[in-house]
This record gives sequence, C-alpha cells and structure tokens, in this order.
Amino acid sequence: DQQVKQNSPSLSVQEGRISILNCDYTNSMFDYFLWYKKYPAEGPTFLISISSIKDKNEDGRFTVFLNKSAKHLSLHIVPSQPGDSAVYFCAASGSSGTYKYIFGTGTRLKVLA
Amino acid sequence: ETGVTQTPRHLVMGMTNKKSLKCEQHLGHNAMYWYKQSAKKPLELMFVYSLEERVENNSVPSRFSPECPNSSHLFLHLHTLQPEDSALYLCASSQEKGGGGYTFGSGTRLTVV
Repeated sequence: DQQVKQNSPSLSVQEGRISILNCDYTNSMFDYFLWYKKYPAEGPTFLISISSIKDKNEDGRFTVFLNKSAKHLSLHIVPSQPGDSAVYFCAASGSSGTYKYIFGTGTRLKVLA
Repeated sequence: ETGVTQTPRHLVMGMTNKKSLKCEQHLGHNAMYWYKQSAKKPLELMFVYSLEERVENNSVPSRFSPECPNSSHLFLHLHTLQPEDSALYLCASSQEKGGGGYTFGSGTRLTVV
C-alpha cells in the first residue's frame, strides 16, 4: 500500500502562470514533508520542506501548503519558468528527527514557453 | 569533491555478471542509503546504513549486497541480476538525526541484458 501518493503523473503549465503539484499521504504519524526536484540524468535535489507544526512554508517562488486534517500537501510555483520543468517528488517521514523518508511516484511538470 | 558522487553513471551487465556500484559522500553525513527508481514507481528504499551499520534492509533480494566500509563510502554489489532489476540506482546521504532531507547522487542507470 502506497503511503505517499502523487496522483497526477504529469502537469503542463504556461510560463508565468502558477503550477500546483499535489501530494496525499495516508499515515497520520508523518510529521515532516519534503519536496524534491529531479532533472533527467541527475539525482533528486532538495527543494523545500515543511513540518507539521506549520501549514505553510515559503521560499522565493516556491510555497508548500500542508493540510493535516486532509492529509494533503501541495507545492505552488509562482511564476512558473521553463527551467522548472522537471519531475517533482514529495516525501514524508514519521518524525522530524528520523532519517527515513517515504517517497511518492513523482509528477512531471512541463512549463511551456 | 563535494556532495554525493556515484560511479559508474551507466552500466550494462549480463545476467551472469558481477559488478559493483560505488557511492562516495564528502558532506560529513553519518547515514547513507541505496534507493531504486523504476519507471512509474516511487523511489524504493533498499538499504540504510547509519554509522556504518546496516539498520534496514527492505526485503531486497540477496543478489543485491551492500557494503559500507566507512561513513564516506557505500557500495552495492550485484550478481546474477534479472532484467527487471534494470533501473536507476540512487545513493543518498544525510545526518542520522535532525531531518533536513537527503543529498542524492546522480544515480547509476543499470541495464541488465
């Protein structure tokens, strides 16, 4: 059973518009969440994280929102740029002090110029 | 060198071959991981080493054999693999405690013929 789900395998967005990538989880013990970005032929790189004590974390054009009651998090990219085209993975862990993360299947974002 | 380095980047091997994947980190991290990424699947955790001791093995077939001689190096020894083992193998490192996510290597693209 998949504990972290990214139900949209792909997403296309026009340059300058907002990209919203979604992630759902089933384990209520998860309390730390991360987003990774992966370009072809490269390993994933850390993008942004959020702890369950917050419902929003912002870093430049990237904002992650967490809805604990719905067990849902989303990544907003505003404005989207062609260089944002990549696969985005969300990941969750059971404690901010632990080192084991469960990953989703990824969403391929394509930003159209 | 900085970050997490994986070699080789690409590997083609026959089912009767024996080969090894290598991972090296220069970040001072004390935990290292092997992940497998197959198409349309989540990143699958294979092995976790913390302080050079294997702390997790997610029911990985014995044809995959990890080795962690010190906190900076991690190997994955491969023998008698199957075509379904073809995938991207990612190494990552982190601090055992404190969250912050992983730093991934670029991966080894393995093809078993």
